[in-house]
Formats: sequence, structure tokens, C-alpha cells
Amino acid sequence: NAGVTQTPKFQVLKTGQSMTLQCAQDMNHNSMYWYRQDPGMGLRLIYYSASEGTTDKGEVPNGYNVSRLNKREFSLRLESAAPSQTSVYFCASIRVRGSNQPQHFGDGTRLSIL
Amino acid sequence: QKEVEQDPGPLSVPEGAIVSLNCTYSNSAFQYFMWYRQYSRKGPELLMYTYSSGNKEDGRFTAQVDKSSKYISLFIRDSQPSDSATYLCAMSYMDSNYQLIWGAGTKLIIKP
Repeated sequence: NAGVTQTPKFQVLKTGQSMTLQCAQDMNHNSMYWYRQDPGMGLRLIYYSASEGTTDKGEVPNGYNVSRLNKREFSLRLESAAPSQTSVYFCASIRVRGSNQPQHFGDGTRLSIL
Repeated sequence: QKEVEQDPGPLSVPEGAIVSLNCTYSNSAFQYFMWYRQYSRKGPELLMYTYSSGNKEDGRFTAQVDKSSKYISLFIRDSQPSDSATYLCAMSYMDSNYQLIWGAGTKLIIKP
């Protein structure tokens, strides 16, 4: 009964380093999302994947890339980390994008860029 | 101006009190209104979901939408310490493919 699993839970990087955040869901959902959550800002959409093989930019895509590896997995990559990317990153999934169903979230990755 | 405004709090109330949490919004196209609850160091989870105007009740929770005022509320009756969390409102509409627009969240503390 895992739902949405994110790894790692915590990470500290130095400016300029790269890393990939992993997300996997076991609910057979078609659509997956990456958000960042900053104090006073709410959740902001970085990228989403409506279905396997497709990805699209959200509200704040600059500095990020994504890969929809298969139906289960959706990864987020920071190529050259910057202090402004210090945030909590959430992955979410939904059975079908374009429906009014609830999104299911992982427990987040807390990322600090020094 | 943000599309969805929500007071970040914290809102601190004694156990057993009635809690009122609110969001205002500017886009009259919003049709679907959700409240998510987020415990510390956890992801958000859906608490209540309402379509268009009106009230919806689920146990101790009541969600209210007033589209004429562009205002939504979440009421919690007989509040418990376990209700201590951050409550996020989110809303969407069909023509945007139901893309969720989020409030910043209100931190609620229920004191025993």
C-alpha cells in the first residue's frame, strides 16, 4: 500500500552540483507531477507528464529537467543546482489528467543547496 | 496579486473549538474546490472536495463555497489536537485541464 514513493527524503548539495530526484507510484496512474513547496508560496508546478512518453512544462520549469521512465516512474533532475532551488519537492500522481480526481502525493524530498 | 489567497497563520485554538479556515480567489472560472491537509514532513492529502457553490459535510468537516464572493471556507467542529496540520486550498476548472492552483496553506494548532 505504498502509493507514491520519493527518494531521497533529504539531500544537501553544493551550488553547481547535479542530482536526480526519484518518484514511483504503484497505483497504475497515468499522469504524474513535480511540485516545489516554499514558505508562503504554496505548491508550484514544475513539470508534469500526462501519460507515459510525454512531459510538459509547468509554472516554474527553469533549471529542471524531467524523465518519464515508464508508467510508474517520473524523475526530476537539477543539472546545476542553485541556492534558489532550495525547497521541498513533491511528486504527485492522478489516474487521468484532465479529470477532477484528487492528486496523490509522496512525502517529499527536502533539498538544501549551499 | 496571487490567484488564490490564503492566510498562512498560524491559527491557534483550544481543543473543542470550531475552526474556520478560508481562501479567496480572483478567477471566476474556478469550478472545483478542494481542501488538502498536510501534516508536518508529509505530503498533502485530500480532505474535502466541492463542485461549484454550496456546502458539503463529512463528519466534523464542512466545506463551503460562495462563488459570488469568490470565497471558500473549511469548518472543523469539535477540533482535536490531531487536527493540527497545515490546510491548503486548491481549485481548478475544466478549460485548464483541471490544473490545480494552490493557496499557500494555513498552519492550524489545536491546543489540548
